[in-house]
Amino acid sequence: NAGVTQTPKFRVLKTGQSMTLLCAQDMNHEYMYWYRQDPGMGLRLIHYSVGEGTTAKGEVPDGYNVSRLKKQNFLLGLESAAPSQTSVYFCASSYSRGGTSGTYEQFFGPGTRLTVL
Amino acid sequence: DAKTTQPPSMDCAEGRAANLPCNHSTISGNEYVYWYRQIHSQGPQYIIHGLKNNETNEMASLIITEDRKSSTLILPHATLRDTAVYYCIVRVDAGRRALTFGSGTRLQVQP
Repeated sequence: NAGVTQTPKFRVLKTGQSMTLLCAQDMNHEYMYWYRQDPGMGLRLIHYSVGEGTTAKGEVPDGYNVSRLKKQNFLLGLESAAPSQTSVYFCASSYSRGGTSGTYEQFFGPGTRLTVL
Repeated sequence: DAKTTQPPSMDCAEGRAANLPCNHSTISGNEYVYWYRQIHSQGPQYIIHGLKNNETNEMASLIITEDRKSSTLILPHATLRDTAVYYCIVRVDAGRRALTFGSGTRLQVQP
């Protein structure tokens, strides 16, 4: 059981280049998320998905796109990278149970460290 | 949104209990208190959560005051591996199950 995995672990881009970050989970979770974490700060939600084929914007979606074609995968794309997107990117997943039970435990991947020059 | 206030940093001696406080005075009746931690450069890890009653699991204990305006995470016998940033989270968007992270408390366990 690998849990949540992220590819790649590190990447350096030049301004204007594009790339895709891949997140995969083997826990059959319905919900998946992409966060970014800048130095010394907490995580901020970029986009999320509540199921295969559905995506929605989070707090800081500008400059990013996502796709969830398969339940186990959640892709984060940068169409034209900017230095402001230098950050550590974390993917997470969770079950859809919750509502009044409040059981929102999320499982996080190891992160992708992206530098945009 | 229910805001949380945590001290930016704390120290604890190895083997002693670490008590991490969190204030959440605007918490609403159906909001849960969650604790996550982030060990250097790794993804956050779920620790424990609670609504009203005190909770305990294999990692920690969570004490919530009767008025629910504050809580304390207790690591009963801190080890060097418990050195991490600890996040107290009470705002949960029920529609998307997302978490809102603040700055957390950086716990340094000293040998």
